[in-house]
Amino acid sequence: EDQVTQSPEALRLQEGESSSLNCSYTVSGLRGLFWYRQDPGKGPEFLFTLYSAGEEKEKERLKATLTKKESFLHITAPKPEDSATYLCAVRAGTASKLTFGTGTRLQVTL
Amino acid sequence: DVKVTQSSRYLVKRTGEKVFLECVQDMDHENMFWYRQDPGLGLRLIYFSYDVKMKEKGDIPEGYSVSREKKERFSLILESASTNQTSMYLCASSYNLGRSYEQYFGPGTRLTVT
Repeated sequence: EDQVTQSPEALRLQEGESSSLNCSYTVSGLRGLFWYRQDPGKGPEFLFTLYSAGEEKEKERLKATLTKKESFLHITAPKPEDSATYLCAVRAGTASKLTFGTGTRLQVTL
Repeated sequence: DVKVTQSSRYLVKRTGEKVFLECVQDMDHENMFWYRQDPGLGLRLIYFSYDVKMKEKGDIPEGYSVSREKKERFSLILESASTNQTSMYLCASSYNLGRSYEQYFGPGTRLTVT
């Protein structure tokens, strides 16, 4: 069974304090790892897809990286507007569906 | 931009009522999905569809059914609503070809069953 574990559950940063969120996975035949951002009361918003170990993607203050066992979402010099829950998901084999982690709730304060 | 819309943002229903949640996407995606999201449990897949009139059970299909009569529209039906179906319901869609399997989500429906 595919498993996705995200850590920490919650993270509180001061503005400008860089950090990383972790997503570790156990799947048979990874076909994609996905990062989403979710604001309270809203649907998840797609950020990145990573397909193979060593791949990196960047968007503004966010950079996602992938190894054979985990992915990191690095947040550089975060701002309060980066506060959200960040979700990680994997696609395995020929399946169309994704398996989601439970997310990391990030709060960035002034 | 991909647009996924859901029929209601908030819904309050009584126990035993039949409930319809509707989702529409405008990107000609083959796949459509229904999830529920609960604190501490994350996103759990209820049903998905990979083509018109085709459906597959997800991880928690009990108490739910779905209908997909047109490619752009996917409905979730609660045959007899119960209080344990109070949740946030999220619809998503994706392509079903190549590598592009990222799912795009609607805004969600917060359903309360009393």
